[in-house]
Amino acid sequence: DIQMTQSPSSLSASVGDRVTITCRASQSISNFLNWYQHEPGKAPKFLIYAASSLQSGVPSRFSGSGSGTDFTLTISSLQPEDSATYYCQQSESTPPAFGQGTKVEVK
Amino acid sequence: EVQLVESGGGLVQPGGSLRLSCAASGFTFSSYDLTWVRQAPGKGLEWVSTITGSGISTYYADSVKGRFTISRDNSKNTLYLQMNSLRVEDTAVYYCAKDRASGGYGDFDYWGQGTLVTVSS
Repeated sequence: DIQMTQSPSSLSASVGDRVTITCRASQSISNFLNWYQHEPGKAPKFLIYAASSLQSGVPSRFSGSGSGTDFTLTISSLQPEDSATYYCQQSESTPPAFGQGTKVEVK
Repeated sequence: EVQLVESGGGLVQPGGSLRLSCAASGFTFSSYDLTWVRQAPGKGLEWVSTITGSGISTYYADSVKGRFTISRDNSKNTLYLQMNSLRVEDTAVYYCAKDRASGGYGDFDYWGQGTLVTVSS
């Protein structure tokens, strides 16, 4: 099974900061990498698929990059509403594993 | 508008059973794979099970294989998860999720709000 590892586990940043979250796969997954935002008590929100394709309706300050084993999610200008936990997920093979999550706090 | 609404969660004793449902609307139900994902208290998201649009193929996490059964009724636009031999470690919020595109890409564009399953004596 493919394992997904995110870093950091948590971060705190100010409004307007550029934030980067890293996700690493235990083996190559091409670009089969997706990102989700999850706020407590809410349904997870789909942000990015195929490593870099922005889901419709997602603000353009979110972007994704990478291929093979190393991927990043970038928030170009952090906003208060971005406070949440972010998960990467590989869809190259079953089981479709998630990373352990990165909790983002907006100061 | 796509909607997924889970129900059926609750408190159950270890060894007991529970059936979750996920009522769907706003898309051609039979065209999309559907998935159950759970989140245990204080933990991250964990994939549980997936069923193809036709219902012919099903997939399970090792942690639930042999105890959980995923199914769907395409005439009722409803997804199910039958959970038997429940363990304390199955305690979690269970979400149903829809694949982004027909054909099973394994990424999930819509999720329900979740239903809480608590396994405790």
